[in-house]
Amino acid sequence: DAGVIQSPRHEVTEMGQEVTLRCKPISGHNSLFWYRQTMMRGLELLIYFNNNVPIDDSGMPEDRFSAKMPNASFSTLKIQPSEPRDSAVYFCASSLQTDYGYTFGSGTRLTVV
Amino acid sequence: GDSVTQMEGPVTLSEEAFLTINCTYTATGYPSLFWYVQYPGEGLQLLLKATKADDKGSNKGFEATYRKETTSFHLEKGSVQVSDSAVYFCALRGSSNTGKLIFGQGTTLQVKP
Repeated sequence: DAGVIQSPRHEVTEMGQEVTLRCKPISGHNSLFWYRQTMMRGLELLIYFNNNVPIDDSGMPEDRFSAKMPNASFSTLKIQPSEPRDSAVYFCASSLQTDYGYTFGSGTRLTVV
Repeated sequence: GDSVTQMEGPVTLSEEAFLTINCTYTATGYPSLFWYVQYPGEGLQLLLKATKADDKGSNKGFEATYRKETTSFHLEKGSVQVSDSAVYFCALRGSSNTGKLIFGQGTTLQVKP
């Protein structure tokens, strides 16, 4: 099993540009989570999906952020337009809804200059 | 709402010292409790878990006991190694069974030879 796969690993972009982060969950997992990690705020849950349906997006900072899960094997997190304060490591994680543990991807380090 | 509070770090220990990282929680019902570990440049990995009161989770020499009376889940290890240097996160999954994990702020452990 390849685990949760995130791409890209690193992204540097200019303020105002659109950024798209990608995630492939573990096959068979039906829950997917997007987290953001910064030194100041720690780990923040942005949004999560069960069976491809968004369940709770209350952690999405503002309308510039959007997330989709068109099928069970792919999800995207989009920031448009990006701002320097969006610089962080973004993690995707997946799990079985009835299970107790998450499997995290290696993260995407986003730098907005 | 549900929340997790961890002791502030960093925690600096010499090799073979005893480790305790405190974690307390606030939750309704009967949450499940977890410890995750994050090594530099990587995603979080599940270290151990406990799903009901008085359960003890253990893995790789680490232990934590679910204490409902004190709402605590402290992480312990009898003899730390340099390779244990990482950030440790306490987390809970509420009894609503949504699959959503709530993380503490993380505690950095540095072990010196």
